[in-house]
Amino acid sequence: EVQLVESGGGLVKPGSSLKLSCVASGFTFSSYGMHWIRQAPKKGLEWIALIYYDSSNKYYADSVKGRFTISRDNSKNTLYLEMNSLRSEDTAMYYCAKGGNVMDAWGQGASVTVSS
Amino acid sequence: DIVMTQTPSSQAVSAGEKVTMSCKSSQSLLYSENKKNYLAWYQQKPGQSPKLLISWASTRESGVPDRFIGSGSGTDFTLTISSVQAEDLAVYYCEQYYDTWTFGGGTKLELK
Repeated sequence: EVQLVESGGGLVKPGSSLKLSCVASGFTFSSYGMHWIRQAPKKGLEWIALIYYDSSNKYYADSVKGRFTISRDNSKNTLYLEMNSLRSEDTAMYYCAKGGNVMDAWGQGASVTVSS
Repeated sequence: DIVMTQTPSSQAVSAGEKVTMSCKSSQSLLYSENKKNYLAWYQQKPGQSPKLLISWASTRESGVPDRFIGSGSGTDFTLTISSVQAEDLAVYYCEQYYDTWTFGGGTKLELK
């Protein structure tokens, strides 16, 4: 069974940094692209980043480009999202998801709140 | 960027009803080389993560009931639930993966 477990969320002040992790199990992690998607409170879904299976390519939404970095460690079956210069509008539930084109498995999410 | 527009934003339904919801993209999602539409549908129930229902506009994921039917091509797509069940009350999102990834704003199915 595919499992994705996010961690690292929390309450932080504007301008600060945070690093999310997503531990994968139940599939060959090193063979799949991985996404980060976020959902602001009571809002819809926003794709924010993708990393290829071998880290050869990374793509970002304009809203996070230059502030967020997606990475992975295939030896640890772990996906990361490093978030810098956080703003109040980054407040959201952050999901990791498996897949290249479509997102065929999702984690339960990690909550990030940016507030002074 | 490709913009995805879903209508209606919410819909009140009764169990057993046939339901249709629309998703329109600002540019064609049909890739001419493989004749595939790069469009997916997801279901998000309250308090849960989204779940992939349909990819390539009309291909149901394994385990998804056959009452969920995806159709359309190019810029106009539809998700039909042939006979709504109580467990189908959720928000439904379309998503394009033709050029990076963009979600529509969602259609919320509520009980009438």
